Amino acid sequence: EAEVAQSPRYKITEKSQAVAFWCDPISGHATLYWYRQILGQGPELLVQFQDESVVDDSQLPKDRFSAERLKGVDSTLKIQPAELGDSAMYLCASSSRTGRETQYFGPGTRLLVL
Amino acid sequence: DQQVKQNSPSLSVQEGRISILNCDYTNSMFDYFLWYKKYPAEGPTFLISISSIKDKNEDGRFTVFLNKSAKHLSLHIVPSQPGDSAVYFCAASVNQAGTALIFGKGTTLSVSS
Repeated sequence: EAEVAQSPRYKITEKSQAVAFWCDPISGHATLYWYRQILGQGPELLVQFQDESVVDDSQLPKDRFSAERLKGVDSTLKIQPAELGDSAMYLCASSSRTGRETQYFGPGTRLLVL
Repeated sequence: DQQVKQNSPSLSVQEGRISILNCDYTNSMFDYFLWYKKYPAEGPTFLISISSIKDKNEDGRFTVFLNKSAKHLSLHIVPSQPGDSAVYFCAASVNQAGTALIFGKGTTLSVSS
């Protein structure tokens, strides 16, 4: 069964350091999402890609976060510099079309900023 | 301003009984609703969905009911099993706009044997 892959699964870093997360969506899925989930809350969208183009990054803190999906397949989310409040689960999801198609999530990357 | 609300943080049910998880929404533009299940340290797993043109969708032990006039949906699990113990998230989207999912805060279900 096809799955969304993410790495690393866990990351501990010190504040002001740079971190990067990687996501490989289900093969053939054109739409890719990065969500952030803070403990006790539901996932919230950070950025949405359709192929290699950004569809929605309105909730992405662009002063420190960046995301790319250069070839329209896998994607990288970067934080520089990391802050204590960035500690959260970062989830990647993909779907075959925008909107109606079900989104399938990867296992997530748990980030702890010290 | 939460657009998707799960007002019960937790629910405890005995094995074999029915579990009913509730979700309310405020945005009348939502037309597609999903339930996800999440275990600790894992990503959400899709359970079941419903379009706004329907009022019920069933898949095995899981049934989702949608009441558009009340802006309310519920997930029924019958019979409940200990392996169902997890956090359940309700999510909604506005299909025509192609937006991402809006999630509730989740309800932790505990099924005891």
